[in-house]
Amino acid sequence: AQSVTQLGSHVSVSEGALVLLRCNYSSSVPPYLFWYVQYPNQGLQLLLKYTTGATLVKGINGFEAEFKKSETSFHLTKPSAHMSDAAEYFCAVTPSNTGKLIFGQGTTLQVKP
Amino acid sequence: DVKVTQSSRYLVKRTGEKVFLECVQDMDHENMFWYRQDPGLGLRLIYFSYDVKMKEKGDIPEGYSVSREKKERFSLILESASTNQTSMYLCASSDPPRPEAFFGQGTRLTVV
Repeated sequence: AQSVTQLGSHVSVSEGALVLLRCNYSSSVPPYLFWYVQYPNQGLQLLLKYTTGATLVKGINGFEAEFKKSETSFHLTKPSAHMSDAAEYFCAVTPSNTGKLIFGQGTTLQVKP
Repeated sequence: DVKVTQSSRYLVKRTGEKVFLECVQDMDHENMFWYRQDPGLGLRLIYFSYDVKMKEKGDIPEGYSVSREKKERFSLILESASTNQTSMYLCASSDPPRPEAFFGQGTRLTVV
């Protein structure tokens, strides 16, 4: 069975600092991988996705993630945090193209001025 | 842009009531989903539907049922609401072979 683990339920960074949110997954087949962002009292918005091809994936708002098969990881990064990045971030995986996703527990990103 | 619309942002219901949560998508997507979101648990799949009148149980279907009479509409039903069903409910849709799902804005349900 597939599963997703996000390391750290809360991450706090200063404005302008590097953002690194960690995600590890277990999957018996090559997966599709996603990062979603949720602002307070909102639904989930797709940040980026990995399907096939290039392992470094760029998304919206300056975020990117790298698929490392040997480490079963898909960490999310952004070089310089902005106050508007404060939100909850979810890593998700699926072994198929049905849209049926398995989510991690979520990481709340706090950005300090 | 894909639009997934949930009929209510906030709901307060009494224990034992029958509750309907409605979701509509406007992009002719084949698949629709209901997730429940709780702090520290992420999102957990309640039910999903891959065609009209077709449904499949997710990880936590107990206490819930669903209805999909039309392709664009997917309803979640709490047959007899209980306080442990107080949660955020998120509807989503997807369009194979694209693997990603598109989410509504969520319904925060409180059962008192």
